[in-house]
Amino acid sequence: AQSVTQLDSQVPVFEEAPVELRCNYSSSVSVYLFWYVQYPNQGLQLLLKYLSGSTLVKGINGFEAEFNKSQTSFHLRKPSVHISDTAEYFCAVSENNNDMRFGAGTRLTVKP
Amino acid sequence: DAMVIQNPRYQVTQFGKPVTLSCSQTLNHNVMYWYQQKSSQAPKLLFHYYDKDFNNEADTPDNFQSRRPNTSFCFLDIRSPGLGDAAMYLCATSSRVTQETQYFGPGTRLLVL
Repeated sequence: AQSVTQLDSQVPVFEEAPVELRCNYSSSVSVYLFWYVQYPNQGLQLLLKYLSGSTLVKGINGFEAEFNKSQTSFHLRKPSVHISDTAEYFCAVSENNNDMRFGAGTRLTVKP
Repeated sequence: DAMVIQNPRYQVTQFGKPVTLSCSQTLNHNVMYWYQQKSSQAPKLLFHYYDKDFNNEADTPDNFQSRRPNTSFCFLDIRSPGLGDAAMYLCATSSRVTQETQYFGPGTRLLVL
């Protein structure tokens, strides 16, 4: 079965600085990869997804992620963060079925 | 706008008192999911419906049940809530065509007193 590891539980960063949130997965088959964002007391909002094709995926709010099959990674990046980006970010993997597995989450805190 | 709706957003219940959480969707998706998310943890899948077919996760306690009377609605019933069941409960949907992508509602935060 697939699994996801988010390497950093918390990432503090100053406003307008770049940020990278790391995600590694394990699976024996081809996978779909996702990043979701969760604001306090809210549901999960889809930021971006990789299904196939170009390994660089652009999402909402200026985020992008790169699928690296050889390193089994799907790191999320943003060149310049805002205070409003403060939230919990979840990486998830699906093996083309209804079984989506989430990482433990990374709390991004953007400081002024 | 097409969306996933959860009511109520906050629910308080007493230890052992049955409670029902509801989810509705206007996306006309055929798959609906219920997740439990405890504080500072990842969402954990409880079960899902593929149309009317119910699929229970192996480690979901018997205390949790679900009903899906039609395509639009899905309910989560907790028969005898314990203190450990306090959590955020998330409903999600996906379509037959793009099953790999799930769309989430805002969640219901359950407090057990």
